[in-house]
Amino acid sequence: GESVGLHLPTLSVQEGDNSIINCAYSNSASDYFIWYKQESGKGPQFIIDIRSNMDKRQGQRVTVLLNKTVKHLSLQIAATQPGDSAVYFCAERGQAGTALIFGKGTTLSVSS
Amino acid sequence: NAGVTQTPKFQVLKTGQSMTLQCAQDMNHEYMSWYRQDPGMGLRLIHYSVGAGITDQGEVPNGYNVSRSTTEDFPLRLLSAAPSQTSVYFCATRGGGGYNSPLHFGNGTRLTVT
Repeated sequence: GESVGLHLPTLSVQEGDNSIINCAYSNSASDYFIWYKQESGKGPQFIIDIRSNMDKRQGQRVTVLLNKTVKHLSLQIAATQPGDSAVYFCAERGQAGTALIFGKGTTLSVSS
Repeated sequence: NAGVTQTPKFQVLKTGQSMTLQCAQDMNHEYMSWYRQDPGMGLRLIHYSVGAGITDQGEVPNGYNVSRSTTEDFPLRLLSAAPSQTSVYFCATRGGGGYNSPLHFGNGTRLTVT
């Protein structure tokens, strides 16, 4: 079956460092991937997405990398700030029309 | 635009009680859905709707009912609450970009069933 997981449940970084949050997925047919940020007491907030026909996509201070060979997804945050502290989820869509499958989340803690 | 609005923010129920979690959106999105979030688990889909008058089951539909009489509203009903339904519930919508477009979430309803 499909599953989406994250390599580490927690990640601690210093302010100004670059952060890398990893995600492994199991369904090689997945064609859409997405990263969400969830702050305490709030709903998940869309960060960036990527389709399977791409390897890399950049946003403001964030980059998503997709390695389909090893079924790995990563989110890179440049110059991490205390406001980036949150839980980060990856999600995949196994095939067109199916629901997103969410991973369990990585808690990012940024210390100043 | 308010986006996705969920009410109430918090609710405590006794086992066997019923209640409705409200979800309203002002983005004219056809797709709406309900997820539950439990500690140590990813978000799980309960029910979804691709438009007014159409609903379908997700991964964990048992114990929940939905209806979609308007584009704006998608209420989630618990007919007889159970402690296993203690969770945080999120309503999410999706715009016209099709399946490969992001979900937009509300801020959740935190439900405790005693």
